[in-house]
Amino acid sequence: RKEVEQDPGPFNVPEGATVAFNCTYSNSASQSFFWYRQDCRKEPKLLMSVYSSGNEDGRFTAQLNRASQYISLLIRDSKLSDSATYLCVVTPGTGRRALTFGSGTRLQVQP
Amino acid sequence: NAGVTQTPKFQVLKTGQSMTLQCAQDMNHEYMSWYRQDPGMGLRLIHYSVGAGITDQGEVPNGYNVSRSTTEDFPLRLLSAAPSQTSVYFCASSSTYGGGQPQHFGDGTRLSIL
Repeated sequence: RKEVEQDPGPFNVPEGATVAFNCTYSNSASQSFFWYRQDCRKEPKLLMSVYSSGNEDGRFTAQLNRASQYISLLIRDSKLSDSATYLCVVTPGTGRRALTFGSGTRLQVQP
Repeated sequence: NAGVTQTPKFQVLKTGQSMTLQCAQDMNHEYMSWYRQDPGMGLRLIHYSVGAGITDQGEVPNGYNVSRSTTEDFPLRLLSAAPSQTSVYFCASSSTYGGGQPQHFGDGTRLSIL
């Protein structure tokens, strides 16, 4: 089983739609969680951190469910510019290892 | 406002050649790492460093060497290039390891091995 798993998509949605992605992780001791965005094989960029209580940043909402070991990202009122690959990222609970990246979910917002 | 700088941006090598991918950061970050990204796969950790003089292996270290003689620089060496090493390579840094600090990425090096 992969440490971090995501549905690769693509998710094809019309402008203005609401879309949600889930990501599951296998290490119950994982401490920190993030969503990164990556455009066309450019470098990944931090979209938002994911906090235990859930958090919102404009049209984006992130949730963490530790009991079921998944995190989610909800995008409301999708824009064409939201088209990208969204990477779920998890830090390990112990040791000095770097972040573990999921393979990404591709979103295509259509006019 | 350089951040993380990778050179070169593109490189084509022949099988068996060696080369060094350069990575430099100007943010005084302790933590630096190298990832490779292949089509349909996430970023896989090659090597990482938690400070000058300290390096460790990631998931896919075979065929690569690193060193960290200064805080700023973290070069990645391909010892004898193989077609399986054709990939996009990203260098990243953060102020500390783990602990929820976001990673700052370079633009990437697109490497083809013929």
